[in-house]
Amino acid sequence: EDKVVQSPLSLVVHEGDTVTLNCSYEVTNFRSLLWYKQEKKAPTFLFMLTSSGIEKKSGRLSSILDKKELSSILNITATQTGDSAIYLCAVTGTNAGKSTFGDGTTLTVKP
Amino acid sequence: DVKVTQSSRYLVKRTGEKVFLECVQDMDHENMFWYRQDPGLGLRLIYFSYDVKMKEKGDIPEGYSVSREKKERFSLILESASTNQTSMYLCASSRDGNQPQHFGDGTRLSIL
Repeated sequence: EDKVVQSPLSLVVHEGDTVTLNCSYEVTNFRSLLWYKQEKKAPTFLFMLTSSGIEKKSGRLSSILDKKELSSILNITATQTGDSAIYLCAVTGTNAGKSTFGDGTTLTVKP
Repeated sequence: DVKVTQSSRYLVKRTGEKVFLECVQDMDHENMFWYRQDPGLGLRLIYFSYDVKMKEKGDIPEGYSVSREKKERFSLILESASTNQTSMYLCASSRDGNQPQHFGDGTRLSIL
């Protein structure tokens, strides 16, 4: 059974801090790892990492996939209050149509 | 932009009722999914569908069924609602298994 573990479960920081969120996984025939951000409503897609694309960056957010360690990190630099959200990690394996999600990391950024 | 629309934002039903949650996507996506989200438990997959009239059980299908008669619509059915099905329900769609999922805003369902 596929498994995704995220850490920490919650995190409180102040504006301007840099944070690193962790995701480790066990999956049969790894295809991709995805990061989503969930504020009040629907999760929204951030990054997809695959064997052919192990680093992604968008503005202050970046993510790296470590296939050897079966893990990924999501970095957010110069955090803002608008970064407060639940960050979800998901992996896709043998059954390509299906993703397994972790429990999420709740990030709170204080002014 | 892909739009995934869930029919209700909030819903209150009674124990034993048959409950229908509807989801519609407008981008001709092959795959559609139903999840429930509970505090501390993340997103858990209930059912998914990769084609019209096709369905596969997810991790927690007990007490639920689904229907996909048209490509754009995926319905979740609680056959006889129970209080432990009180939760946030999220619908999602994706073009195929190698693409990210697009989520609806969720239905917060309370079973009294």
